[in-house]
Amino acid sequence: GIQVEQSPPDLILQEGANSTLRCNFSDSVNNLQWFHQNPWGQLINLFYIPSGTKQNGRLSATTVATERYSLLYISSSQTTDSGVYFCAVVGVTTDSWGKLQFGAGTQVVVTP
Amino acid sequence: ETGVTQTPRHLVMGMTNKKSLKCEQHLGHNAMYWYKQSAKKPLELMFVYNFKEQTENNSVPSRFSPECPNSSHLFLHLHTLQPEDSALYLCASSQDPIRGVHEPGANVLTFGAGSRLTVL
Repeated sequence: GIQVEQSPPDLILQEGANSTLRCNFSDSVNNLQWFHQNPWGQLINLFYIPSGTKQNGRLSATTVATERYSLLYISSSQTTDSGVYFCAVVGVTTDSWGKLQFGAGTQVVVTP
Repeated sequence: ETGVTQTPRHLVMGMTNKKSLKCEQHLGHNAMYWYKQSAKKPLELMFVYNFKEQTENNSVPSRFSPECPNSSHLFLHLHTLQPEDSALYLCASSQDPIRGVHEPGANVLTFGAGSRLTVL
């Protein structure tokens, strides 16, 4: 199956700092989503971004499908940004349809 | 509130107990999913139901038995579990994963808050 690698595994930021999280995937995808999991376990969809660039407030994401990677940017980080950020993809082969494969996540801690 | 509700939020059970996890979605979606999240491991897809039909069983042991009576409800029946089955079980829904191959956004997942299971 498709492999999803996220880096860095852990990130500690001071409030107000900017950061970039990376997601590499091993095969062509037609679906890529970024999620944030808060400390209580709730996963929230941040972006649906199989290609191109999107922005939502202080967060933005860019996917370069031809080079098989996606980046999530956090600007002016706040303590509420703490949690785990997951990248998840669906491959283009028929046996991948409907199966969102998750990376291991990046644990982000924003300190006051 | 995401529109996907899971109950119970916490469950402690012995290895010989029978219990069930429940998931309900109010989003009008057609597909529902169970994922398992263990400590230090990526989310693992367990089951997929699309229009009430099971389309994916990711080699899940038979002590986990899913049930999808309609597109809005999904259950995970638990029986004779092992301590290593302790994990956060996440339910999700999406509009249509197959149509999502060609239509942007039809396979965007919405997750519930999870059911944290401890097997003693």
